Amino acid sequence: AQSVAQPEDQVNVAEGNPLTVKCTYSVSGNPYLFWYVQYPNRGLQFLLKYITGDNLVKGSYGFEAEFNKSQTSFHLKKPSALVSDSALYFCAVRGGFGTGTASKLTFGTGTRLQVTL
Amino acid sequence: KAGVTQTPRYLIKTRGQQVTLSCSPISGHRSVSWYQQTPGQGLQFLFEYFSETQRNKGNFPGRFSGRQFSNSRSEMNVSTLELGDSALYLCASSLGGNSARGEQYFGPGTRLTVT
Repeated sequence: AQSVAQPEDQVNVAEGNPLTVKCTYSVSGNPYLFWYVQYPNRGLQFLLKYITGDNLVKGSYGFEAEFNKSQTSFHLKKPSALVSDSALYFCAVRGGFGTGTASKLTFGTGTRLQVTL
Repeated sequence: KAGVTQTPRYLIKTRGQQVTLSCSPISGHRSVSWYQQTPGQGLQFLFEYFSETQRNKGNFPGRFSGRQFSNSRSEMNVSTLELGDSALYLCASSLGGNSARGEQYFGPGTRLTVT
């Protein structure tokens, strides 16, 4: 079975400082990894994904994520946080074809990011 | 291009009733997935439809069902509602095909309250 762990319920960071939101995963075969953000009373917005290739993936709004196969991690990062980045962030994983889970996205429990002035 | 739309946005039902939620995917997207989001269980996969066929199913009771039409629009139905079915129901669409590679785009959700 595939799973995602987001070890921090909340991350607090001051505006202008770098931020990291942690994610580790477990999946059969090659992982397809995603980050989504959710603002209050809204659906999820896609930020970025890792399919293959470079371990550093760049996405929307200045976010990037680093894929580390040996540590089975996919941490979300941003060099300089903004107050408007405050939201709920979800990491998600899918298995590849042949695993029976290619069409099933499994989410972590979410990490609330709070950016303060 | 218009995003994923879900109707209704809010719904209040009584225990034992049934409910149907609707989702219109992004134009050209053939895959529609449904998720349930609750504070206790987080985001849980319900099922995915591609070209009118259910391609994968999560661990939910048979009271939860869905279907997809030829225009890719999808509906999900919950029968014999229970208090625990109160949740935000999210629909997501993607191009389909090799769906593992493509990102899903989510609608705003339907907030279902069961009293």
